[in-house]
Amino acid sequence: AQSVTQLDSHVSVSEGTPVLLRCNYSSSYSPSLFWYVQHPNKGLQLLLKYTSAATLVKGINGFEAEFKKSETSFHLTKPSAHMSDAAEYFCVVVRNNFNKFYFGSGTKLNVKP
Amino acid sequence: SQTIHQWPATLVQPVGSPLSLECTVEGTSNPNLYWYRQAAGRGLQLLFYSVGIGQISSEVPQNLSASRPQDRQFILSSKKLLLSDSGFYLCAWREGLAGTYTGELFFGEGSRLTVL
Repeated sequence: AQSVTQLDSHVSVSEGTPVLLRCNYSSSYSPSLFWYVQHPNKGLQLLLKYTSAATLVKGINGFEAEFKKSETSFHLTKPSAHMSDAAEYFCVVVRNNFNKFYFGSGTKLNVKP
Repeated sequence: SQTIHQWPATLVQPVGSPLSLECTVEGTSNPNLYWYRQAAGRGLQLLFYSVGIGQISSEVPQNLSASRPQDRQFILSSKKLLLSDSGFYLCAWREGLAGTYTGELFFGEGSRLTVL
């Protein structure tokens, strides 16, 4: 079975400080993992994806994530937060060759001036 | 390039009225199509997905139905809306390729439904 746990429902950081959004997954098979961002009343936009290639994945807007199989984690990081990063972030897992995507419950990122 | 269109963007409907939300994808063929619902504080819930014309998989028994009358068209419907149908509905697609495939979902801008 596949599942995703986002460990924090809300994260608050100051502008210019690092961002860490945590995600743990459970998968019986080699998964693909994604991070999406959603701004209020908008659709979801892909930030980055892991598909069994390099374990350190770089995405858009300065975000990156590291796949750690031993820890079953796929945490999202950014060295320096910007006000425009304030949004909700979703970690997603899918079993390769299958059609069901499993979404985490989301983490709302607040960026303080 | 591929695009996804979803409409209407906002809808306010009385309880018991019908519903039709439409989603179309351009620039690709035979996509996998999905309907998700996002209710306040409840994350994304997969409602339906389709791997081809007329092929619909339902994930959650409920008051809604989906149809795929054309390759790139996906419709979400209800005959009689309930208050609990309120939410933000998102259509999404991914490449429908066979074999080992790890493609991401691409989302529409969403439809906000309020049932009063």
